Amino acid sequence: QVYLVESGGGVVQPGGSLRLSCAASEFSFSNFAMHWVRQAPGQGLEWVAVLSYDGSDKYYADSVKGRFTISRDNSKNTLYLQIDSLRPEDTAVYYCTRSPGSTGYDPHFDYWGQGTLVTVSS
Amino acid sequence: QSALTQPASVSGSPGQSITISCSGTSSDVGGYNFVSWFQQQPGKAPKLIIYDVTNRPSGVSNRFSASKSGNTASLTISGLQAEDEADYYCSSYTSTRTVVFGGGTKLTVL
Repeated sequence: QVYLVESGGGVVQPGGSLRLSCAASEFSFSNFAMHWVRQAPGQGLEWVAVLSYDGSDKYYADSVKGRFTISRDNSKNTLYLQIDSLRPEDTAVYYCTRSPGSTGYDPHFDYWGQGTLVTVSS
Repeated sequence: QSALTQPASVSGSPGQSITISCSGTSSDVGGYNFVSWFQQQPGKAPKLIIYDVTNRPSGVSNRFSASKSGNTASLTISGLQAEDEADYYCSSYTSTRTVVFGGGTKLTVL
């Protein structure tokens, strides 16, 4: 059974920063591209970012480009999302997920974590 | 990166079939066979039910099927059951190596 466990969420003031983590287990983490997807309260899913299996290639949604940074430590089987310059509209549950698809960048998201809630409020 | 277009809601009676559409462009849905569908129950993480346009993961009921024509993908649920009541999202790979989701469709089983 694949496990993805997010942590690091919390309440932060506008303009603040957070680093989210996603601990992976029971699969070869270093072989998979990993993604972050978020969901604002009562809203739909929004794709955030993807990082290639080796960390060399990354892409972001326009809404977070320049403020969010995705990274990974394959020695620790952990994915990260550094979130800076937080805005109220970044309030959401943040999920990590993997794509075993042929490209790694496609939305073949077969396993998801339980999510971690980020609340941006003064 | 405009969201894919889904109907906000659909409904059907037990035993009936329903179809949810997902409209995109030639830069996403129409350009690649990388469309996925997810089911999300309240308070839970999304669950993959279709990938690569038509493929069902192991363990997903064969009552779920999907297709694509041009820039529009479709999910069909046959033999509706009460447990199918949930939110459904389509998603697609895009020409900029990103992913885009639809706005979601709330399925009500009457």
